[in-house]
Amino acid sequence: GDSVTQMEGPVTLSEEAFLTINCTYTATGYPSLFWYVQYPGEGLQLLLKATKADDKGSNKGFEATYRKETTSFHLEKGSVQVSDSAVYFCALTRSSGTYKYIFGTGTRLKVLA
Amino acid sequence: DADVTQTPRNRITKTGKRIMLECSQTKGHDRMYWYRQDPGLGLRLIYYSFDVKDINKGEISDGYSVSRQAQAKFSLSLESAIPNQTALYFCATSDLDRGGQYFGPGTRLTVT
Repeated sequence: GDSVTQMEGPVTLSEEAFLTINCTYTATGYPSLFWYVQYPGEGLQLLLKATKADDKGSNKGFEATYRKETTSFHLEKGSVQVSDSAVYFCALTRSSGTYKYIFGTGTRLKVLA
Repeated sequence: DADVTQTPRNRITKTGKRIMLECSQTKGHDRMYWYRQDPGLGLRLIYYSFDVKDINKGEISDGYSVSRQAQAKFSLSLESAIPNQTALYFCATSDLDRGGQYFGPGTRLTVT
């Protein structure tokens, strides 16, 4: 079945460092791909999305490119801030069928001042 | 005002009690979902509903039931709570074009 695999956390970075959080997926067809962010004590917020191969989603300095050939959707940010400390979830939904969303297990990011 | 609201935000209950968690949304979405979140396990789908008359079980529906009272309201019930149902519960909505889901703030449930 469909699945999403994220890198294990926690990821600890210094402020202004470059961030990469890896995400790979298994799905039939051409799923839509998403990154969500969860700040402490809050629900998940949609961060960015991409709906077809080679699309780049971007928001708040974060970017991710839909790579069909490597079935990946890695999250990147050029310069992280302390306020980016959160848990990040990669997710997908199929292009047809039930439209359920499949989530990875989340990667915790901690940014130190 | 938040688009997706959940009540209560926190609840402590005893084993064997019945409890209901409520979710309301103002986004106008037809699709609504209930998830539970446990440390290290990510989000697991309990139930989902594509409209008022269409309710479906998710991967972990045992011990739970739901009611879709209206397009905007979707409630989750634990008929007889047990300690391993202690978790963070989220309601979410989505529209038809696979644009992503919108989550409520969560309900932290503790069953003692």
